[in-house]
Amino acid sequence: GENVEQHPSTLSVQEGDSAVIKCTYSDSASNYFPWYKQELGKRPQLIIDIRSNVGEKKDQRIAVTLNKTAKHFSLHITETQPEDSAVYFCAAANQAGTALIFGKGTTLSVSS
Amino acid sequence: NAGVTQTPKFRVLKTGQSMTLLCAQDMNHEYMYWYRQDPGMGLRLIHYSVGEGTTAKGEVPDGYNVSRLKKQNFLLGLESAAPSQTSVYFCASSYLIGGPAKNIQYFGAGTRLSVL
Repeated sequence: GENVEQHPSTLSVQEGDSAVIKCTYSDSASNYFPWYKQELGKRPQLIIDIRSNVGEKKDQRIAVTLNKTAKHFSLHITETQPEDSAVYFCAAANQAGTALIFGKGTTLSVSS
Repeated sequence: NAGVTQTPKFRVLKTGQSMTLLCAQDMNHEYMYWYRQDPGMGLRLIHYSVGEGTTAKGEVPDGYNVSRLKKQNFLLGLESAAPSQTSVYFCASSYLIGGPAKNIQYFGAGTRLSVL
């Protein structure tokens, strides 16, 4: 089955810096890769996603890149702000697209 | 619309007791999921359902059972609770859109379960 590895597990940056979180997946048939943000004590929420037929996607200060050949994808956050502090999860869909397998999460801390 | 609602929010069990967690969604979603979240372990899929009357095993199904008798409800059962099942449980529902399909999941607020 699908296996998703996520790095780093913790990341501390200064406000205004960029943050990058990387994930690798094992199933070459996976076609959908979302990122979820979970603030402390809250539920996970989708922040951005990418399909396998696209190499990069941007939404304001966040972007995701996908390298299908290498089976890895990354989340990029520019001009970080304290409200970006949260746990971020990457995920990959199973072959049928009916389920997501999540990475173990990255705790991002942005200090002002 | 309430979205995805989980009950109860908190529960304390003794080892060997049984309980059922209820997940209800009002978005007419076909797919529903149960995850557990433990520190440093991320969100691990327990069981999921791709439609009324169907269930499938996820990554960590042992010790849990599920049922989807109605489209809007997905029940997670613990027949004989163990301390290793102490966790935060999240339910989610989703629909698939487009091609390649996007599986956009909406989560409930979670149930914090302690097994003593």
